[in-house]
Amino acid sequence: KQEVTQIPAALSVPEGENLVLNCSFTDSAIYNLQWFRQDPGKGLTSLLLIQSSQREQTSGRLNASLDKSSGRSTLYIAASQPGDSATYLCAVVSGGSYIPTFGRGTSLIVHP
Amino acid sequence: DAGVIQSPRHEVTEMGQEVTLRCKPISGHNSLFWYRQTMMRGLELLIYFNNNVPIDDSGMPEDRFSAKMPNASFSTLKIQPSEPRDSAVYFCASTRTRTSGIGEYNEQFFGPGTRLTVL
Repeated sequence: KQEVTQIPAALSVPEGENLVLNCSFTDSAIYNLQWFRQDPGKGLTSLLLIQSSQREQTSGRLNASLDKSSGRSTLYIAASQPGDSATYLCAVVSGGSYIPTFGRGTSLIVHP
Repeated sequence: DAGVIQSPRHEVTEMGQEVTLRCKPISGHNSLFWYRQTMMRGLELLIYFNNNVPIDDSGMPEDRFSAKMPNASFSTLKIQPSEPRDSAVYFCASTRTRTSGIGEYNEQFFGPGTRLTVL
């Protein structure tokens, strides 16, 4: 059974810092991995999706990498801003099941 | 595209009452998921439909919960009778298998959720 762990659970940083959020998974036979953002009281918004054969994806100040052999993905946020404050979740879709397994998320606060 | 639509956005009810949550997936998406999110347990998958057929309902907590998908554009999650421990945010999400130059992938899109409070 796929298990997804996100570290750290919470993070508070000053504006302008570059950040790395981590997601690890136990079964490397994945179909794709998706990073989401969730603002308080809101739904999940898709940020980046990495297919199984890809190593990374970029969107603006966000870069997500995937290393299947080590069971890890990282979300890199460059030059963080207060508007980046949210909870970030990763979801791993395992090959064959097509059912996403979610981590518990990293709660990020970027203070001015 | 309007995205995934859920209704109601908020529901407050008393213990023992029937609750029905509704979802309209994105047009053309062939899979639909119902999730429940709480602080204690995070995001839990309740049930998953593919082409309107329930594929995995192992996450449905008990017989009080039922879900239907009568057609490709509508699904309901019903709780009868409701209990205070059912209080949570319920999300609906839809996906479609897509193909890029390097293979297939499923990107999931979430609705805004229904915040359920059972008194």
